[in-house]
Amino acid sequence: KQEVTQIPAALSVPEGENLVLNCSFTDSAIYNLQWFRQDPGKGLTSLLLIQSSQREQTSGRLNASLDKSSGRSTLYIAASQPGDSATYLCAVLQGAQKLVFGQGTRLTINP
Amino acid sequence: EAGVAQSPRYKIIEKRQSVAFWCNPISGHATLYWYQQILGQGPKLLIQFQNNGVVDDSQLPKDRFSAERLKGVDSTLKIQPAKLEDSAVYLCASSSPQGRRVGYTFGSGTRLTVV
Repeated sequence: KQEVTQIPAALSVPEGENLVLNCSFTDSAIYNLQWFRQDPGKGLTSLLLIQSSQREQTSGRLNASLDKSSGRSTLYIAASQPGDSATYLCAVLQGAQKLVFGQGTRLTINP
Repeated sequence: EAGVAQSPRYKIIEKRQSVAFWCNPISGHATLYWYQQILGQGPKLLIQFQNNGVVDDSQLPKDRFSAERLKGVDSTLKIQPAKLEDSAVYLCASSSPQGRRVGYTFGSGTRLTVV
């Protein structure tokens, strides 16, 4: 059974810092990995999607990497801003198009 | 393209009452998912539809939860009777046949509070 773990559960940093969020998964037989953002009381917004054959994806200040063999992904946020405060979720896609989520990292950027 | 639509946004009910949620996926998306997200946790898959058929409902509490997908488009999720532990956000998502390449789109969710 696939298990997805995100560390840390919560993170608070000053504005302007670069930071890394971690995601690990137990079964490397995945099709892709997706990072989502969730604001309080809202749904999920897709940030980055990495196919299993890819090593990384970039969008603006965000960079996500994937090491499928070791079961790890990182989300790097450069020059953090207060507007980046949210919960970040990673999810892996398995067979039969089943998406399995981690429990999320709650990020707070302090002005 | 329009996103995944869900209603209602919020619902407060007493335990043992019934409640229903509605989801309209992105046009043309064959696969539809219902997830339950309890506060502080990641979303957990309740049921997955492929067109009209159920692909996975292994984590759906079938004694109280039911779901259907009408004509392979809209879907409803029902809870009858509700328990306190059903308080959560219920998220609907859909994906296209190219879902492995393009990812999934989630609705805004329905926040259920059972008192």
